[in-house]
Amino acid sequence: GQQVMQIPQYQHVQEGEDFTTYCNSSTTLSNIQWYKQRPGGHPVFLIQLVKSGEVKKQKRLTFQFGEAKKNSSLHITATQTTDVGTYFCALQNSGYSTLTFGKGTMLLVSP
Amino acid sequence: DTGVSQDPRHKITKRGQNVTFRCDPISEHNRLYWYRQTLGQGPEFLTYFQNEAQLEKSRLLSDRFSAERPKGSFSTLEIQRTEQGDSAMYLCASSSLRDLPHYGQYFGPGTRLTVT
Repeated sequence: GQQVMQIPQYQHVQEGEDFTTYCNSSTTLSNIQWYKQRPGGHPVFLIQLVKSGEVKKQKRLTFQFGEAKKNSSLHITATQTTDVGTYFCALQNSGYSTLTFGKGTMLLVSP
Repeated sequence: DTGVSQDPRHKITKRGQNVTFRCDPISEHNRLYWYRQTLGQGPEFLTYFQNEAQLEKSRLLSDRFSAERPKGSFSTLEIQRTEQGDSAMYLCASSSLRDLPHYGQYFGPGTRLTVT
């Protein structure tokens, strides 16, 4: 089945610093989704990327899908303590049903 | 509250016992998914339903696990003869094909299972 590598596994930043997590696949993806899970919480859907080279923004969050549709990134500008959590990328199968999640990047933000 | 709900939130059981979890999806969401998540890992797919039909099961899913969605609304996940390795957070999610082209899944709070 499809597999995805997510890096880094963990990052600790000072509030105000930027943060980026990367998701890489060995195969071409139909689409990719990003989720955020707060400590003790459940995954929350953030966004879906479908098109090659697509860039989407949500306030301080910028999501990119690579030109070859094999990688994706999530960039947070000027992190805040509310950004703390684990960010997962997830691959959707060709039938647009099941998701394969990466191991996630845990973000810790110090005030 | 129109989110996904799960019951119970926590379950402690002894090895060998059977447990059953319930998931109520967002109203009118025709797709329902079960995942398992252990510490430091992403959610791992177990099975999914479209309406009342179970369309896919993970090959990793033991035959001790069974899931139903009899009326296409709520779903139950049963684990028979629990083992310590079954200890995990069991997450339910739902989605709707009518949300095209957006296929995001909406997760419930999960049921944390501890097998002693």
